[in-house]
Amino acid sequence: EVRLVESGGGLVQPGGSLRLSCAASGFTFSDHHMDWVRQAPGKGLEWVGRSRDKPDRFRTDYAASVEGRFTISRDDSKDSLYLEMNSLKTEDTAVYFCARDSRKHNMDVWGKGTTVTVSS
Amino acid sequence: IQLTQSPSSLSASIGDRVTITCRASQGISGHLAWYQQKPGKAPKPLIYAASSLQSGVPPRFSGSGSGTEFTLTISSLQPEDFATYYCQQLNSYPVTFGGGTRVEIK
Repeated sequence: EVRLVESGGGLVQPGGSLRLSCAASGFTFSDHHMDWVRQAPGKGLEWVGRSRDKPDRFRTDYAASVEGRFTISRDDSKDSLYLEMNSLKTEDTAVYFCARDSRKHNMDVWGKGTTVTVSS
Repeated sequence: IQLTQSPSSLSASIGDRVTITCRASQGISGHLAWYQQKPGKAPKPLIYAASSLQSGVPPRFSGSGSGTEFTLTISSLQPEDFATYYCQQLNSYPVTFGGGTRVEIK
């Protein structure tokens, strides 16, 4: 079964840091670009960023709203994707989803999400 | 690239034909996807590359368009189709989503 499982969410104070993980199974992780997408309470979907695969030199891309504060990395030996979040703001409060790029112009596998709450 | 979905919400009855539009601020070729999301759940992929049906998705869902204007059509609305629908462009970075269309029961 193809699966993505996020972990690491929780409550953090403004200015704090948090690291999310996404564990993949059931497919060849190294063959795919991987994305983080978030959804603030009652709001729409917002793309956070992408980790491209080895042929694309593991390049990362970010939304302007998180550039310089968030870092995406991957460990293909562990079939895992990570999101390091620093200088967190209250507006970063959201459910964070991990998603697989299908290479057919969509994201075809999604995790259930992990909740991040930034509050004092 | 900004994506504008319309309408932002609609009310429809079982069996109705429903059409949702997504307009891009610049041309994105056919690099558009559609998703369905129900409360508390992850998005579910419906359409990729503007008009290709994701495996396992019922054929009452269809997508069309290219360039800057795209549509998602549900040919005969079913009870399980009441949800929020999002378009997404993957033509260029940053990847962007439309604001969503909430489909409610009339």
